[in-house]
Amino acid sequence: KAGVTQTPRYLIKTRGQQVTLSCSPISGHRSVSWYQQTPGQGLQFLFEYFSETQRNKGNFPGRFSGRQFSNSRSEMNVSTLELGDSALYLCASSLEGSNTEAFFGQGTRLTVV
Amino acid sequence: QQQVKQSPQSLIVQKGGISIINCAYENTAFDYFPWYQQFPGKGPALLIAIRPDVSEKKEGRFTISFNKSAKQFSLHIMDSQPGDSATYFCAAGAGNNRKLIWGLGTSLAVNP
Repeated sequence: KAGVTQTPRYLIKTRGQQVTLSCSPISGHRSVSWYQQTPGQGLQFLFEYFSETQRNKGNFPGRFSGRQFSNSRSEMNVSTLELGDSALYLCASSLEGSNTEAFFGQGTRLTVV
Repeated sequence: QQQVKQSPQSLIVQKGGISIINCAYENTAFDYFPWYQQFPGKGPALLIAIRPDVSEKKEGRFTISFNKSAKQFSLHIMDSQPGDSATYFCAAGAGNNRKLIWGLGTSLAVNP
């Protein structure tokens, strides 16, 4: 079966702009989580959506937001981009949530200049 | 607040040696402990996972040891190979409706 698909793979944006990243989970998976990964900081949890509802949220400013559609596809949006937002953004899908195997996409590499 | 502490941050092992990565947690409600492996340019992938009803789980060359009283769990890679060179993350979960808590990762390099 198809894996988790994230688009785009690479993105270059200018400070102050906004960006939308997309994630298509594995068919049948209802939970989608988003992570920010930077060198030395590991995987920083952004938020999790389950059946179109945000179920968990990390400690990121309100500039970071997300949503999930009825087909479980998810998007995350970052507004007013800052240089520090440059990172690899990973999406993970799972059947029910954190106690079931999470399948990660290859990520979107965002560079803010 | 780092609820899962992973060590070491980096590790160099000779081919054929044993790689050991340790994690310690605080929350006794955790009941799911997975290890993920990440290669450069790829997302993490589940390697092996354990629940607290067992003290050890082995899959091929990979073994998780779990010490509930010490609130620690570790990953052992036997007969380490250059292809095992990757970043390894431990994590802990406390129910499907709560977020997974991650360690900061260990960069493993296996020298040929």
